[in-house]
Amino acid sequence: DGGITQSPKYLFRKEGQNVTLSCEQNLNHDAMYWYRQDPGQGLRLIYYSQIVNDFQKGDIAEGYSVSREKKESFPLTVTSAQKNPTAFYLCASSGRQKITDTQYFGPGTRLTVL
Amino acid sequence: ILNVEQSPQSLHVQEGDSTNFTCSFPSSNFYALHWYRWETAKSPEALFVMTLNGDEKKKGRISATLNTKEGYSYLYIKGSQPEDSATYLCAFYNYGQNFVFGPGTRLSVLP
Repeated sequence: DGGITQSPKYLFRKEGQNVTLSCEQNLNHDAMYWYRQDPGQGLRLIYYSQIVNDFQKGDIAEGYSVSREKKESFPLTVTSAQKNPTAFYLCASSGRQKITDTQYFGPGTRLTVL
Repeated sequence: ILNVEQSPQSLHVQEGDSTNFTCSFPSSNFYALHWYRWETAKSPEALFVMTLNGDEKKKGRISATLNTKEGYSYLYIKGSQPEDSATYLCAFYNYGQNFVFGPGTRLSVLP
């Protein structure tokens, strides 16, 4: 089945540690995105990538880093510089037409910093 | 960052009722508006992509309209069913910006 997988579903991290969230897609999509959701707020864009080996900062990129070495994979690292990392993280992918192609979302990872 | 609002924040309707909710966005430099449905414990799923003023889209009992000049889109559900219970998100794309998602409208359909 085609789709997007994120792992793990739940993640706990001690304050001061970096952690990497996985996102893989087999939809042959060029574009991939990372969003963060906090209670009562809309999804906010952290980073996106429209092509392998290229990515752009979104609206809340500080404290996060990404890589796009393969078309299928777009891992997100939450660094210790992220001041409030506890949140729900969603990965998405879409076709090349960023504006009009719908985004397909993964099931999400809930990160809790202890 | 541009602001996208959705109203109401949540609503409860009886099975069989029709309902609608609103997505409001800045009207300048409009490019596209997306609607998504997000059921609990699942991933958001695309409903509609709307790009032209006056657009009307329909999928089964769900339809949407778009007014880019005044900056709003309505989502309608006719004859709500329990399986329609979900959070409905709109996402606005403005030239030179990224997608901005609204906070969602949480719909509960009571049997």
